[in-house]
Amino acid sequence: GAVVSQHPSWVICKSGTSVKIECRSLDFQATTMFWYRQFPKQSLMLMATSNEGSKATYEQGVEKDKFLINHASLTLSTLTVTSAHPEDSSFYICSARLAETQYFGPGTRLLVL
Amino acid sequence: QKEVEQNSGPLSVPEGAIASLNCTYSDRGSQSFFWYRQYSGKSPELIMFIYSNGDKEDGRFTAQLNKASQYVSLLIRDSQPSDSATYLCAVNYAGNNRKLIWGLGTSLAVNP
Repeated sequence: GAVVSQHPSWVICKSGTSVKIECRSLDFQATTMFWYRQFPKQSLMLMATSNEGSKATYEQGVEKDKFLINHASLTLSTLTVTSAHPEDSSFYICSARLAETQYFGPGTRLLVL
Repeated sequence: QKEVEQNSGPLSVPEGAIASLNCTYSDRGSQSFFWYRQYSGKSPELIMFIYSNGDKEDGRFTAQLNKASQYVSLLIRDSQPSDSATYLCAVNYAGNNRKLIWGLGTSLAVNP
């Protein structure tokens, strides 16, 4: 149980385009999901907390207009990287909270050319 | 500033030995504690969580919590090369929008 999926698993896009990443809790409902980013050889960095039916809470330094988060249902949260640039290339990972525990998706690797 | 600290390692142990991973946290209000494992290039996977003082065992893994000392550890018995990964300690603070505060992780290498 407690399976979280992400789609796509990897994406390559041109600079200036927007990319949408989906995070789904497959066998449980999650009122709260989290979006992380991880650069090579670095630790996880929380970007934002996504709450079903309300606005996301962004961490300090994360641009909410660049990283759009929508959590329209209890099983789906989406992260849209708008006007992506090469410095946005990273490993994006979502998690979904069940009780007190976060379960992670497999991650999405984004490469912006 | 709430902090979670781990020794970055690398911690190197021979196959079959016990690996001991340690984590300290700064806020006495912490309520739940998690150990995740992350293989290179992969996302974190939950190993176990612990809420109460004492030991909690799950297979080859034992988590130990000492709230008075603000210390949580993970023991891996009969270590295998497949256990080689980065181990992340995370702490959940009540009222913190339920987000986790993460340590930077300890790299473990189990040598055949």
